[in-house]
Amino acid sequence: GENVEQHPSTLSVQEGDSAVIKCTYSDSASNYFPWYKQELGKRPQLIIDIRSNVGEKKDQRIAVTLNKTAKHFSLHITETQPEDSAVYFCAARRRNYGQNFVFGPGTRLSVLP
Amino acid sequence: DAGVIQSPRHEVTEMGQEVTLRCKPISGHDYLFWYRQTMMRGLELLIYFNNNVPIDDSGMPEDRFSAKMPNASFSTLKIQPSEPRDSAVYFCASSLGTGGTYNSPLHFGNGTRLTVT
Repeated sequence: GENVEQHPSTLSVQEGDSAVIKCTYSDSASNYFPWYKQELGKRPQLIIDIRSNVGEKKDQRIAVTLNKTAKHFSLHITETQPEDSAVYFCAARRRNYGQNFVFGPGTRLSVLP
Repeated sequence: DAGVIQSPRHEVTEMGQEVTLRCKPISGHDYLFWYRQTMMRGLELLIYFNNNVPIDDSGMPEDRFSAKMPNASFSTLKIQPSEPRDSAVYFCASSLGTGGTYNSPLHFGNGTRLTVT
């Protein structure tokens, strides 16, 4: 089955700096890759996603890149702000039977003022 | 739409008692997922349904856990008997099936925080 790895597990950056979180997946049948942000005590919420027919997608300060050949995708946050502090999860979903979402273990991002 | 609705938000029970968690998915979504989240194990998939049919329950810890989806708008996760190690946040989530060119993100409910003493 699918396996998603995520690095780093914790990340501290100064306010205004950039943050990058990387994920790798194992199942070549996966074709959809969302990223979720989870604040303390709250539910995971979608912040950006990408399909396998696209190499990069950007939404204001957030961008995601995908390398299908290497089976890895990354989240980039620019001009970080204290409210970006949260746990971030990547996930992969396959297009065939068994359309499960497999999540990475999460990255705890701390943005220091 | 009100999103995925879970109840109760918090549940405190004693070991050995039966616990039932409830979920109403987003209308029109044909996939429903139950996840458990703990600090040690992160987000674990317990079971998921497609069109009310269980597809994969390999994540259900043991026979004490059971899940049902009697119709497209309701699902339950039951633990009987409950144990302290079941303490966690249980999330229900729903999605459309993926296909074509559209994206099908997972929408989470607010979760049920279960404490078993």
